[in-house]
Amino acid sequence: AQSVTQLDSHVSVSEGTPVLLRCNYSSSYSPSLFWYVQHPNKGLQLLLKYTSAATLVKGINGFEAEFKKSETSFHLTKPSAHMSDAAEYFCVVVGGYQKVTFGTGTKLQVIP
Amino acid sequence: DAGITQSPRHKVTETGTPVTLRCHQTENHRYMYWYRQDPGHGLRLIHYSYGVKDTDKGEVSDGYSVSRSKTEDFLLTLESATSSQTSVYFCAISESIASSGNTIYFGEGSWLTVV
Repeated sequence: AQSVTQLDSHVSVSEGTPVLLRCNYSSSYSPSLFWYVQHPNKGLQLLLKYTSAATLVKGINGFEAEFKKSETSFHLTKPSAHMSDAAEYFCVVVGGYQKVTFGTGTKLQVIP
Repeated sequence: DAGITQSPRHKVTETGTPVTLRCHQTENHRYMYWYRQDPGHGLRLIHYSYGVKDTDKGEVSDGYSVSRSKTEDFLLTLESATSSQTSVYFCAISESIASSGNTIYFGEGSWLTVV
């Protein structure tokens, strides 16, 4: 079975401090992994994706994620949070047979 | 941004009435999807299409039907809306099958309230 677990439903950080959003996955296939961001009342925007190339993936707005097969993790990080980063973030696993599984989301709050 | 337009963006309807949501794309992508988003569930796939007149069910397809008569349009129909279908609906597209690692692009969402 394929699954995605976002370990924190809410994360709160101060502006200028690092961000860590955690994602663990389970898949019988070599998966593709994505992080999307959703601002209030908006659609989902692709932040970055891993598709079996480099394990450290850089995305937009200074975000990056590292694929760790041994830990089945794909955590999202950013060195310094900005107020505009406040949003909900979704980890997505794409495995075999067109199966796309979304995590339940992590809401990031950035405190001024 | 991918050229995806959803309509209507907001709708309030009564229980038992039919509702159709439209997704229009200008990217000529083969695959189109309808998802619903509910608190605590993330996004769940309702139906998807892999070509004109080619559709298949997702994980929460009961109570929904879809049609795709043209590459650019994918319609989602609630034949008889129920309160449990109150949700935010997202259309998505991808150039090739999502499992190949192709990016899925999302529309802005349609907020549906069934009263």
